[in-house]
Amino acid sequence: KNQVEQSPQSLIILEGKNCTLQCNYTVSPFSNLRWYKQDTGRGPVSLTIMTFSENTKSNGRYTATLDADTKQSSLHITASQLSDSASYICVVSPYFGNEKLTFGTGTRLTIIP
Amino acid sequence: DGGITQSPKYLFRKEGQNVTLSCEQNLNHDAMYWYRQDPGQGLRLIYYSQIVNDFQKGDIAEGYSVSREKKESFPLTVTSAQKNPTAFYLCASSIDLGRSTDTQYFGPGTRLTVL
Repeated sequence: KNQVEQSPQSLIILEGKNCTLQCNYTVSPFSNLRWYKQDTGRGPVSLTIMTFSENTKSNGRYTATLDADTKQSSLHITASQLSDSASYICVVSPYFGNEKLTFGTGTRLTIIP
Repeated sequence: DGGITQSPKYLFRKEGQNVTLSCEQNLNHDAMYWYRQDPGQGLRLIYYSQIVNDFQKGDIAEGYSVSREKKESFPLTVTSAQKNPTAFYLCASSIDLGRSTDTQYFGPGTRLTVL
């Protein structure tokens, strides 16, 4: 069964600090991995998308890494801001298309001043 | 201003009623999707459509119905047959269904509560 597991479930950090969120997956075959940011009560917004041949991708203060051999990904947030408070969702896509995505349950990040 | 709109933002339903959630996109995307989000669970696919007048069941289609009469519109009806409809519903679109690297763009969501 395809699965995406994220850790930690929740995280609280001080404004200005860095943090790293983890994603492990068992989806096979594998095409790409995506990270989304979801503010409370809103729809997810795409941060990065990486194929199996990409090891890292950045989007401003967000940097995602991918190790397709160990089936692990991480999302690193640098110099956190209050607006980073949100849920971060890892999504893995098999080779077939967008109708077969497997979504993680997300990491709830809270930034405190 | 391009994007996906969903309405209403909040919806309350009495047991036994059918309700329809609206989803409109002006991104000129061919593919559209409906997901359900419950606390502590990942998004689950209800229905998807690759093209006008064509749609397919996702993983949890029972108790739901859709139509795709126009490229920009993909309404979802939650029927009385759906036993636990209280959830956050998200509509999404992408340029194409079959290209696995296509980013999905999500709407703001509709929160449905059964009274």
